[in-house]
Amino acid sequence: DAGITQSPRYKITETGRQVTLMCHQTWSHSYMFWYRQDLGHGLRLIYYSAAADITDKGEVPDGYVVSRSKTENFPLTLESATRSQTSVYFCASSNTGNTEAFFGQGTRLTVV
Amino acid sequence: AQSVSQHNHHVILSEAASLELGCNYSYGGTVNLFWYVQYPGQHLQLLLKYFSGDPLVKGIKGFEAEFIKSKFSFNLRKPSVQWSDTAEYFCAVSPGDDKIIFGKGTRLHILP
Repeated sequence: DAGITQSPRYKITETGRQVTLMCHQTWSHSYMFWYRQDLGHGLRLIYYSAAADITDKGEVPDGYVVSRSKTENFPLTLESATRSQTSVYFCASSNTGNTEAFFGQGTRLTVV
Repeated sequence: AQSVSQHNHHVILSEAASLELGCNYSYGGTVNLFWYVQYPGQHLQLLLKYFSGDPLVKGIKGFEAEFIKSKFSFNLRKPSVQWSDTAEYFCAVSPGDDKIIFGKGTRLHILP
């Protein structure tokens, strides 16, 4: 089915572990985004990508790494998870960087 | 700092009441503007968007928003809310051509 899918939907990990959140879109959108959603902070942009092999930092990039070797995939890696990274993570894609973004269902990550 | 501000963090209304949610942004130049809605347990969906032209834009489910350039505002309105409008509403701005920045959100609770 066409769309944007995130995996896993739920993840519990321990402090210090590396964890990767996956995002896959089937629209061939050029732009992809990672946001985190926290109570009182709304959605904050972590990283975004304008095309394969092009990524850029958003508002809160520290502690995260991204890559985009293929247009359809945009994984987000927490190299050494901390409790402050407990959040709901949303991936989104759009045809251009400033038009409607389509969101995935989110990944709820808990770091214990 | 450049930002998107939503004035109301939590709004409680009775059914059939009128709704107005405020949004201001601090980016200069041309911007694209959005309102997204997130129903409980779901991902974000686009309510409406403004790119250019008529500053009064109509969206889905009876929502509308007015862009006032001189006030850097993009307020969301609905004449008569329903219980099913209970959700979190996010104003978003694309200040350039490569990313979308969100406000902190407004939680709307409609009393039946």
